[in-house]
Amino acid sequence: GDSVTQMEGPVTLSEEAFLTINCTYTATGYPSLFWYVQYPGEGLQLLLKATKADDKGSNKGFEATYRKETTSFHLEKGSVQVSDSAVYFCALRPYTGANSKLTFGKGITLSVRP
Amino acid sequence: DAMVIQNPRYQVTQFGKPVTLSCSQTLNHNVMYWYQQKSSQAPKLLFHYYDKDFNNEADTPDNFQSRRPNTSFCFLDIRSPGLGDAAMYLCATSRDGGLYEQYFGPGTRLTVT
Repeated sequence: GDSVTQMEGPVTLSEEAFLTINCTYTATGYPSLFWYVQYPGEGLQLLLKATKADDKGSNKGFEATYRKETTSFHLEKGSVQVSDSAVYFCALRPYTGANSKLTFGKGITLSVRP
Repeated sequence: DAMVIQNPRYQVTQFGKPVTLSCSQTLNHNVMYWYQQKSSQAPKLLFHYYDKDFNNEADTPDNFQSRRPNTSFCFLDIRSPGLGDAAMYLCATSRDGGLYEQYFGPGTRLTVT
């Protein structure tokens, strides 16, 4: 079945540091890929998405590129801020199939210190 | 703004006392989902509705049920909450099809005493 693997956390960075969060996936066909962010006590918010190979999703300074050859969708940001502290989930959704559902990675907690 | 609304944000119930959580949406999406999320874990899908068609996950306990009286509203009923049902419950909606993201509500934090 489909699966998403995220790097182990938590991750702690200083403000303005470079961020990379690794995500790889296993799926049949060509799924859509997503990064969601969850702030403490809140629901999940879509951060960015990509729906086909070589697409780059971007939002709020975060970027991720859909790499079919390495089945990866790594999240990057050039300069993190304290306000980026949150839990980040990588997810996939099959392109076809009735009632296609999201498969989440385990999530990773990012803490950014001033 | 179009959105997903969950009420209440915090719910306290007693062991074994039925509780209902509600979700409404203004996005007019045909698919609605209920997830359970425990601390430091990814959301776990309980069930979803595709229009009026109910789809239960194989490992969702019978204690959890759902109703969708119309496109905009969906309810999660927990018939006899146990201590292990304390969690954040998230409602989400989407258009059908793999291209589309899910939109999540803010969640209801359920405490069982």
